[in-house]
Amino acid sequence: GENVEQHPSTLSVQEGDSAVIKCTYSDSASNYFPWYKQELGKRPQLIIDIRSNVGEKKDQRIAVTLNKTAKHFSLHITETQPEDSAVYFCAASSPEYGNKLVFGAGTILRVKS
Amino acid sequence: IAGITQAPTSQILAAGRRMTLRCTQDMRHNAMYWYRQDLGLGLRLIHYSNTAGTTGKGEVPDGYSVSRANTDDFPLTLASAVPSQTSVYFCASSESGRRNEQFFGPGTRLTVL
Repeated sequence: GENVEQHPSTLSVQEGDSAVIKCTYSDSASNYFPWYKQELGKRPQLIIDIRSNVGEKKDQRIAVTLNKTAKHFSLHITETQPEDSAVYFCAASSPEYGNKLVFGAGTILRVKS
Repeated sequence: IAGITQAPTSQILAAGRRMTLRCTQDMRHNAMYWYRQDLGLGLRLIHYSNTAGTTGKGEVPDGYSVSRANTDDFPLTLASAVPSQTSVYFCASSESGRRNEQFFGPGTRLTVL
């Protein structure tokens, strides 16, 4: 089955700097890669996703890149703000796994002001 | 009801007791999921249902059962709770087919003593 690894487990950045979180996946048939943000005590919420037919997607200060050959994808947050502090989860979905999501272990992002 | 709800919000349970966590959605989503969230392990799929009347096992199904009598409800039952089932449980739902975005409920914090 699919296996998703996420790095780093914790990330501290200064307000205004960029943050990058990386994930690798094992199933080459995976075709959908969402990123979820979870604030303390809250539910995970989708912030951006990408499908395997594109290499990059951007939404204001966040972007996701996908390298299908290397089987890795990354979340980029620019001009970080204190409200970006949260746990971020990547996930991958493969039709061979019934399109169910397999999540990475999460990254705790702290933005210091 | 707006979206997806879970009950109870939190529960403390004696080992060996039976417990049912409730999940209801009003988005007419075909697919529903149960995850447990443990520190450092991300979100792990317990059971899922692609449509009313069908269920399937996820990554960590042992000790849990589910049913899907209708589209809206997807209860998770612990037949005889053990301390290792102490966790935060999230229910999620998604449209079937190619749209994989999952919407999460607010979670249930369960402590088994």
